[in-house]
Amino acid sequence: EVQLVESGGGLVQPGRSLRLSCAASGFTFDDYAMHWVRQAPGKGLEWVSGISWNSGSIGYADSVKGRFTISRDNAKNSLYLQMNSLRAEDTALYYCAKPEMISGWYPDAFDIWGQGTMVTVSS
Amino acid sequence: EIVMTQSPATLSVSPGERATLSCRASQSVSSNLAWYQQKPGQAPRLLIYGASTRATGIPARFSGSGSGTEFTLTISSLQSEDFAVYYCQQYNNWPVTFGGGTKVEIK
Repeated sequence: EVQLVESGGGLVQPGRSLRLSCAASGFTFDDYAMHWVRQAPGKGLEWVSGISWNSGSIGYADSVKGRFTISRDNAKNSLYLQMNSLRAEDTALYYCAKPEMISGWYPDAFDIWGQGTMVTVSS
Repeated sequence: EIVMTQSPATLSVSPGERATLSCRASQSVSSNLAWYQQKPGQAPRLLIYGASTRATGIPARFSGSGSGTEFTLTISSLQSEDFAVYYCQQYNNWPVTFGGGTKVEIK
């Protein structure tokens, strides 16, 4: 079964840091780029960041550029999101998402999503 | 950034009826358009990609159409499990962007 399981969320004060993880299983992880998408409470979906299969290409939403860092470890089938200088507006459910198309680095639809990990930024 | 606008925000439909959801892009996205279904407490589920191709396991009552800037998701005969929020997403340009969603509720 293809599965993505996020972890690492929690309550954090503004300005602090948090590192999210996503464990992948059931597919060849290093065949695919991977992405983070977030959803603020009661709101819509926002793409946050993506990374190519070999970490050679990386992209960020303007809202997180310079504060968040995406990375992956193909040996561990894992995706990460290091979040620094957190703000109240970063409060959201963070999903790990797999693109529909194999390999490459291009915008894509997401065919597999994890259940998400909640990040709450508040003093 | 391409802005995706969905309408209506809420659609009230009776079970068995047809539902038509619209999505408009601020500039052409060709056929690089996906639709997702999200139920409360669940992750989004991919329904349609390439504007009209059903994802694996998606029932035939879901269909997508359109290209360029105007797109439609049609649910031919609503089942109880179809009441949810639906999002469109363009993946023609970085950053990929989502519409604000259409909530399909029971009339």
